[in-house]
Amino acid sequence: QSALTQPASVSGSPGQTITISCTGTSSDVGGYNYVSWYQQHPGKAPKLMIYDVSHRPSGLSSRFSGSKSGRTASLTISGLQAEDEADYYCSSFTSSTTCIFGTGTTVTVL
Amino acid sequence: QVQLVQSGAEVKKPGASVTVSCKTSGYSFTSHDINWVRQASGQGLEWMGWVNPDTGDAGQAQKFQGRVTMTRDTSISTAFMELRSLRAEDTAVYYCARNTRGGISEYDYWGQGTLVTVSS
Repeated sequence: QSALTQPASVSGSPGQTITISCTGTSSDVGGYNYVSWYQQHPGKAPKLMIYDVSHRPSGLSSRFSGSKSGRTASLTISGLQAEDEADYYCSSFTSSTTCIFGTGTTVTVL
Repeated sequence: QVQLVQSGAEVKKPGASVTVSCKTSGYSFTSHDINWVRQASGQGLEWMGWVNPDTGDAGQAQKFQGRVTMTRDTSISTAFMELRSLRAEDTAVYYCARNTRGGISEYDYWGQGTLVTVSS
């Protein structure tokens, strides 16, 4: 089973809005509303940012939002800040009752 | 507060086995599955499998079947991941992660990671 497809990199200036896509198949992203997003800074463990496609964990900034259309999920970061510079991974539940991660996207704040 | 604390770094020779532990605290250990995810240097996240701390049931990604065992010890609120027949490609940081709720692959708390190096 191949990884979910994400752009390798996305960049934006402070204050701008960026969107990261995550494309899968009908057996994962397209079939379930169990898509999550993780932020990972260098040398650190991943951090849950979005779960169930569009829900934010308690205390997480509302600048982060998630959505899904068909086989593609998206993470949007509004009001981009320097601390948002990190790697981002999507993941999805699958029809095999397993988990599949995306290829990862490096966000650069210009 | 919820914490997952993993065992320290390991260096192993090809063909050997390694066991990584994940000691949990701050919540009911049997209420959330523990999953294992690894990440080779400069690479993405790779899901390995899960263990249900309540029942002991476990499942693995097809890639690791026959080579990995995931267990738990409820008396010490700790999960274990054993990987056998190690090869150089298994060199990675291994993470344990707690799922948000039963059977769903979404992870709200992670361990700090354990570096496993496989080298002759």
